Amino acid sequence: AQSVTQLDSQVPVFEEAPVELRCNYSSSVSVYLFWYVQYPNQGLQLLLKYLSGSTLVKGINGFEAEFNKSQTSFHLRKPSVHISDTAEYFCAVSETGGTSYGKLTFGQGTILTVHP
Amino acid sequence: DAGVTQSPTHLIKTRGQQVTLRCSPKSGHDTVSWYQQALGQGPQFIFQYYEEEERQRGNFPDRFSGHQFPNYSSELNVNALLLGDSALYLCASSYGTGSGNEQYFGPGTRLTVT
Repeated sequence: AQSVTQLDSQVPVFEEAPVELRCNYSSSVSVYLFWYVQYPNQGLQLLLKYLSGSTLVKGINGFEAEFNKSQTSFHLRKPSVHISDTAEYFCAVSETGGTSYGKLTFGQGTILTVHP
Repeated sequence: DAGVTQSPTHLIKTRGQQVTLRCSPKSGHDTVSWYQQALGQGPQFIFQYYEEEERQRGNFPDRFSGHQFPNYSSELNVNALLLGDSALYLCASSYGTGSGNEQYFGPGTRLTVT
């Protein structure tokens, strides 16, 4: 079984400042890693994913994340945030191969609030 | 190209009643997964349908059941509703069941049980 811990439930930040949203996971097998964003009253949208290869993954809207296998982390970063980045962000994992059939295990979410 | 659509948007039911939620996957997708998102929580996997069969199930009781139709659309049924079933129910679709395949989420159905 897997579990995902998002270390901060809320992150306030000023516009144009950098931000890091932290995610740690636990799993006995190899996993794929994902970050999703959820705007108010909407479904989830994929920001980026790590399947293999380079541990630095670039996604949409200027976000990037780095996979650290030794620390079992997958932190999300953006060098300069905008008001429109205000949303809830979810880290998720799924087992590679086997019989997981793409089941996603999500963290509790981090609410990012960007202040002017 | 329409994305994942869900109906209804909102629903209010009474304890003990039954409810059916519907999902149409993104065009070209053949796999549908359902998730429950309680207030302030991350989504939790309920089950996944592929080729009209339940392929995997999360830790949910048998009161939660589903169906997938030949056109790949899907229904989620919940019987004997409890107050704790109040949540946002999300449908996600993908092409195939591979773990790395991107899942596209619908806007969800907000279920309130009173």
